[in-house]
Amino acid sequence: TQLLEQSPQFLSIQEGENLTVYCNSSSVFSSLQWYRQEPGEGPVLLVTVVTGGEVKKLKRLTFQFGDARKDSSLHITAAQPGDTGLYLCAGYPGTYKYIFGTGTRLKVLA
Amino acid sequence: KAGVTQTPRYLIKTRGQQVTLSCSPISGHRSVSWYQQTPGQGLQFLFEYFSETQRNKGNFPGRFSGRQFSNSRSEMNVSTLELGDSALYLCASSLTGQGVEWNSPLHFGNGTRLTVT
Repeated sequence: TQLLEQSPQFLSIQEGENLTVYCNSSSVFSSLQWYRQEPGEGPVLLVTVVTGGEVKKLKRLTFQFGDARKDSSLHITAAQPGDTGLYLCAGYPGTYKYIFGTGTRLKVLA
Repeated sequence: KAGVTQTPRYLIKTRGQQVTLSCSPISGHRSVSWYQQTPGQGLQFLFEYFSETQRNKGNFPGRFSGRQFSNSRSEMNVSTLELGDSALYLCASSLTGQGVEWNSPLHFGNGTRLTVT
């Protein structure tokens, strides 16, 4: 069974702090995506990483794909209240479905 | 460009009943996937359709079924509802199909919240 474990499960921080969310698996994925979901809405894609060791930046968000393509991290610099939400990683093992991580619920306090 | 539309947004059913949920994908998207989201289990894959063919199915009982029409719209049906079926059901469409090309991300609708009493 392919699983994606995210940590931490919950995170509550003050505005301006930095944080890192981890997404780990024992399986190799062809690609990995990060989504953010807000209450009452569906997940929205933030980024896709494909190559082992790849680093992508999206404003204050930095995403990294592990060298072995089994893990990924999301780092947020100077978090803002607008970053609040459920962060989900999703790996594509190549079988017409994505495996979603367990999720990290982030709350940024003003 | 209109996003993925799911109807209805909310449903309340009683145990033993059946329910049909609808999903209209983004225009031009031929792949539709369904996921169940619960606080305890997260997002669990139900099935994926591409050009009216089911290409993959998750580990759900046969009470969960789906279909896709020639216009790519999709429906999922849950028969003999159980309390544990209460969840947010999310539909997602993609241009090709589930990362066959890595740059075909999933575009999600806002879900149907099903409550079984």
